[in-house]
Amino acid sequence: GQQLNQSPQSMFIQEGEDVSMNCTSSSIFNTWLWYKQDPGEGPVLLIALYKAGELTSNGRLTAQFGITRKDSFLNISASIPSDVGIYFCAGPSYSGAGSYQLTFGKGTKLSVIP
Amino acid sequence: KAGVTQTPRYLIKTRGQQVTLSCSPISGHRSVSWYQQTPGQGLQFLFEYFSETQRNKGNFPGRFSGRQFSNSRSEMNVSTLELGDSALYLCASSLATGITEAFFGQGTRLTVV
Repeated sequence: GQQLNQSPQSMFIQEGEDVSMNCTSSSIFNTWLWYKQDPGEGPVLLIALYKAGELTSNGRLTAQFGITRKDSFLNISASIPSDVGIYFCAGPSYSGAGSYQLTFGKGTKLSVIP
Repeated sequence: KAGVTQTPRYLIKTRGQQVTLSCSPISGHRSVSWYQQTPGQGLQFLFEYFSETQRNKGNFPGRFSGRQFSNSRSEMNVSTLELGDSALYLCASSLATGITEAFFGQGTRLTVV
């Protein structure tokens, strides 16, 4: 099945710094989704990307859909303590019935040092 | 607008028992998917329901089953629980099958002892 490789696995940054993380796949995806999960909670959808080359922002978050359709990037500018959590990329794999299942990366755990 | 609601939030069960988890999707959303999250395997797809029909199933044994009601609410059932079934079970709702923006609930933390 399809696999998504996320990097880095974890990162420690100072408050105020910018953060970059990425996700790569061996297969093409038509959509890329980025989620954030806090401990004990469900993932929260941050950004959805639908078109190769697309760059989309949500506040301090910016995500890009790679031109090859096999990668995506998430940047967080001017990090703050509440950015702490695990960030997941995800892409849909479609079945013949039009349904899909999301394939998730293993996540990037972000820690922010005040 | 209320989000995805999962009940209960926490459950402790004994090996061999069975368990039923419930999910109410966002109002107007008709597709419900279930995922299992464990530290070792990450997030894995269980199944998707749309219009009361299972549309897609992941690679899980038959002990895992689900259903969807006419109001789009969904339940999943795990029979003959094993220790390895301990996980966070997450429900996601979408407007319809094939619509990729999926919104997750807070999850049900199942512990099997």
